[in-house]
Amino acid sequence: QLRLQESGPGLVKPSETLSLTCTVSGGSITSSSYYWGWIRQPPEKGLEWIGSIYYSGTTHYTPSLESRVTISVDTSKNQFSLRLSSVTAADTAVYYCARFLMSYGSGSYSPAQVDYWGQGTLVTVSS
Amino acid sequence: DIRMTQSPSTLSASVGDRVTITCRASQSISSWLAWYQQKPGKAPKLLIYKASILESGVPSRFSGSGSGTEFTLTISSLQPDDFATYYCQQYSGYSTFGQGTKVEIK
Repeated sequence: QLRLQESGPGLVKPSETLSLTCTVSGGSITSSSYYWGWIRQPPEKGLEWIGSIYYSGTTHYTPSLESRVTISVDTSKNQFSLRLSSVTAADTAVYYCARFLMSYGSGSYSPAQVDYWGQGTLVTVSS
Repeated sequence: DIRMTQSPSTLSASVGDRVTITCRASQSISSWLAWYQQKPGKAPKLLIYKASILESGVPSRFSGSGSGTEFTLTISSLQPDDFATYYCQQYSGYSTFGQGTKVEIK
């Protein structure tokens, strides 16, 4: 059974960089059929798609966060990571790592629906 | 960005009711739409993808329809386990979610 587990600091100071890692077990991150990525949910609010990565390194980021976000992959450890720079209180949220299936349209593949989620980790931005 | 608007934001219903949730896209997304169910403190669960395909293991009382800009999620007979918040997600280009619909007990 596939399992995704987030890890990283639960408290980050304003203006600093948020860093999280997702460890994948029960399956390989180098599978050709999936993207891997991050979704967040501020307290008592809805879901926000952050971005995704293919094991080869191809990334997709949501435009509103693109200037601050980096998603990377370490295939040797079966892990992928999120870095979000210059954080503010608005970045306080539960961060989920996720596995995305792929859709094919307009001549290219892109991340689609999420079939596996991590349990989520709360990151609070506060001094 | 493609904006997704769900309605209603909150829905009060009773066990056995037929429930319909609507999701509208700000531009055509073909059938690139998924629906999720989320319960408090838990990660969302995939119910439907490509607008109308039921995920494996999801009860058949859930169904999805639509294409282009208007989509619906229908629960044919609401069960106690179905009281939760439901989200739509478009994945035509950059992915975005609707704001959610909370289904509560009437």
